[in-house]
Amino acid sequence: GESVGLHLPTLSVQEGDNSIINCAYSNSASDYFIWYKQESGKGPQFIIDIRSNMDKRQGQRVTVLLNKTVKHLSLQIAATQPGDSAVYFCAETPSGNTPLVFGKGTRLSVIA
Amino acid sequence: GAGVSQSPRYKVTKRGQDVALRCDPISGHVSLYWYRQALGQGPEFLTYFNYEAQQDKSGLPNDRFSAERPEGSISTLTIQRTEQRDSAMYRCASSLGTDLGYTFGSGTRLTVV
Repeated sequence: GESVGLHLPTLSVQEGDNSIINCAYSNSASDYFIWYKQESGKGPQFIIDIRSNMDKRQGQRVTVLLNKTVKHLSLQIAATQPGDSAVYFCAETPSGNTPLVFGKGTRLSVIA
Repeated sequence: GAGVSQSPRYKVTKRGQDVALRCDPISGHVSLYWYRQALGQGPEFLTYFNYEAQQDKSGLPNDRFSAERPEGSISTLTIQRTEQRDSAMYRCASSLGTDLGYTFGSGTRLTVV
């Protein structure tokens, strides 16, 4: 399949450890945030979202943290597995009819 | 359908030719988006529709690019007089509404030679 993210920042994590992927966003008006996972040869896959009236949201093995003061978003993955290896993108939008704007992405590499 | 379907999966065309890329969104999804993704980059917005109405085309690079969604379902992105710089992965996504997560298709890899 095609290779995604040839020159992206890379985070290498041992299997079983927790991963933290960070994202800085620029638009202070952004109201809705999403993390996407993209495996090689596939389209971005929705992981978890959060709105600006929250600072934390948990899913299955994933947690998203939002710090609006410093315009920072993070994705925490618990007990990282080889299947978590992918490129992760944050995306943001103000509420309303404004499409998502994607960040640059981080490659997560899980070492078995 | 169960997911967002894009066709063709790969398209190789000669410079100067027109190409049409097709997107079949998830049934019932109101919003449909076109993005372009270069290697090593996040998806870059091109245009989007709510039902059949094109809401925003600010991301289209120039007037060689156009898109339509005449019946509020399938959409076509057309690139006229293709140039090598148009080579990229073109991704379509759909959602129930503009303020909800998008589901992406597998994309069309366009190569202009």
